[in-house]
Amino acid sequence: SSDLTQDPVVSVALGQTVRLTCQGDSLRTYYASWYQQKPGQAPLLVIYAKDKRPSGIPDRFSGSRSGNTASLTITGAQAEDEADYYCHSPDRSGNRVFGTGTKVTVL
Amino acid sequence: QVQLQQWGAGLLKPSETLSLTCALYGGSFSAHRWGWLRQPPGQRLEWIGEIIDSGITNYNPSLKSRVSVSMDTSRNQFSLHLSSVTAADTAVYFCARLYTDAWDYWGQGTLVSVSS
Repeated sequence: SSDLTQDPVVSVALGQTVRLTCQGDSLRTYYASWYQQKPGQAPLLVIYAKDKRPSGIPDRFSGSRSGNTASLTITGAQAEDEADYYCHSPDRSGNRVFGTGTKVTVL
Repeated sequence: QVQLQQWGAGLLKPSETLSLTCALYGGSFSAHRWGWLRQPPGQRLEWIGEIIDSGITNYNPSLKSRVSVSMDTSRNQFSLHLSSVTAADTAVYFCARLYTDAWDYWGQGTLVSVSS
């Protein structure tokens, strides 16, 4: 299966560190990208090519990969990081797949 | 600075054809893929399809029989057509640019509702 699975809900205390995970067979071959989406807004790319940050994305966002799991870490979470986060990857058929999404709550 | 601005009809009846257009400002179509994605209410994002400036397209197999993505380089626009819509096609539709297998620039989104 080319599906990407994420934890539905994750909570983090303000200023603490949280790691979001994304599991799928395609991640053994392809790099994940990660998107932050706030209500009523278009997604915002925060990590691409496993661990690269687009211009303007704070360095508290970082990415990594191990085996079939990609991770997005927020180090020192801020109130404005509360959002839905989606991973994304191509699969071996050339299709593009998004993860099931994680809702991050900052306490 | 790349900007994508999209528009199209927001309310359709079942069996009609969805048509959306996305205009590119501040960049060119070359060296990138340009795509359409959608998000049904309360659900995850879904890739619909994409196109490159040569006109080559790639579609989600689950939608391939109903989807067409085209490009007008003279107008710096690309378009989505989805035929025979049903209520299951109700979603916010986005256009976006693909860079290194990641969607880095997005349109503002268009809510398309299908209802009789």
